[in-house]
Parts: sequence; structure tokens; C-alpha cells
Amino acid sequence: EDKVVQSPLSLVVHEGDTVTLNCSYEVTNFRSLLWYKQEKKAPTFLFMLTSSGIEKKSGRLSSILDKKELFSILNITATQTGDSAVYLCAVEAGSGTYKYIFGTGTRLKVLA
Amino acid sequence: DVKVTQSSRYLVKRTGEKVFLECVQDMDHENMFWYRQDPGLGLRLIYFSYDVKMKEKGDIPEGYSVSREKKERFSLILESASTNQTSMYLCASSLQETQYFGPGTRLLVL
Repeated sequence: EDKVVQSPLSLVVHEGDTVTLNCSYEVTNFRSLLWYKQEKKAPTFLFMLTSSGIEKKSGRLSSILDKKELFSILNITATQTGDSAVYLCAVEAGSGTYKYIFGTGTRLKVLA
Repeated sequence: DVKVTQSSRYLVKRTGEKVFLECVQDMDHENMFWYRQDPGLGLRLIYFSYDVKMKEKGDIPEGYSVSREKKERFSLILESASTNQTSMYLCASSLQETQYFGPGTRLLVL
């Protein structure tokens, strides 16, 4: 059965800390891995990763994929209170008819 | 085990057809959501429902309607499908913050 597991489930840090969020997966016919930030309603797209070892960066956020070990990490440096959110990892998988498998998210709280 | 199911994995419809996408959750969740996901745009919220017979518009409700007659079922309706509604449609449900997603329905409108 396809699955995506995120860890930790929740995290509390202070402003300025660096955090690493983990996403591991077991799927058939992997296509891509996506990271989202969810604050209120709809998750906000952060990154899409398809190739191993290539880091994607956006400001203080970065992410990398390891297709051999089947995981991805999302790093946030110099955290701010506005980074408080649930971070979702999703894997696109399948051949022909594909599907998305979502993890349950990591809840990050950044304290001032 | 948490489960959100969607009625079809893949659908092909013609322009002008009425399309029903069904979503069922077995977790007794109050909140249910319909999103579409398009390349480069990520997830966009179409409608959500926080209780039976209750619904609220999301960010892109135009061209869509929804129905929530039973707690476990949330339907997305395209009254008259158009080609720009070709997309991946994802349903989710939640009790509080954590959303559980279905596998998605890939809709192609010709």
C-alpha cells in the first residue's frame, strides 16, 4: 500500500532556530514529491521535486529529495513566527492514471 | 485506518456535460474540501463544507457547485463542463487541522 509518512508530527521552536522536516515514502511508480504550507484553508504550494540530490530554494526555505533512500527534507532557516503552519508532503505516483498520496503533516509553531 | 475515497480515478467528459465527482470519508469528520491541482499552481480550494448542508466558497468556485446531504459524502458538480476545468480534483476531510486527502480524480474535458 502506498504511504507517505512525515515526522515529527509537531514541533515548537523559537524565532531564529533552524528546523528540518522529514517526509519518507513508499509508493509504486514515483513521479514527484510536493511540499505545501497550510495556514488556514488551502495549502500553499512550496516545492516540487522530481530529481534526487538537487536542492530547491526559496528564501529561507529549501528542500531536497533522495530517491534512493525514499525521503525528502524541508529546511527552514532563521524561523519567524509567520512560519507557523502545518507543512504537508505529498507524493504523486502511478503510471497512466496517477494519484496523490498525502502525509498528515508536521505542525510547526514558532515562538517569538 | 483513515480513509477518503473518490468515486473515479480518471474521467473523460465532453464540453457541456454535467459532471459529478463524489467523495466519501469514513472518519465522521465535519469538514470536507474540494481542491483542484494544476501544474505550477498547486492546490486551489473550490468549496468546503463544515457540516451537513453547509457550504462555503473557496478561492475558485466559479463553474462549480457542491452538495453535502450526508456527513460522510461531499459531491462536486460541474453544471456544464468546460475545457478549462480539465484538472486533477482532490477531496479532503478534517476534524481539526489535519487534512486527509483522497487519491484524486483526473478529469479531462474534451
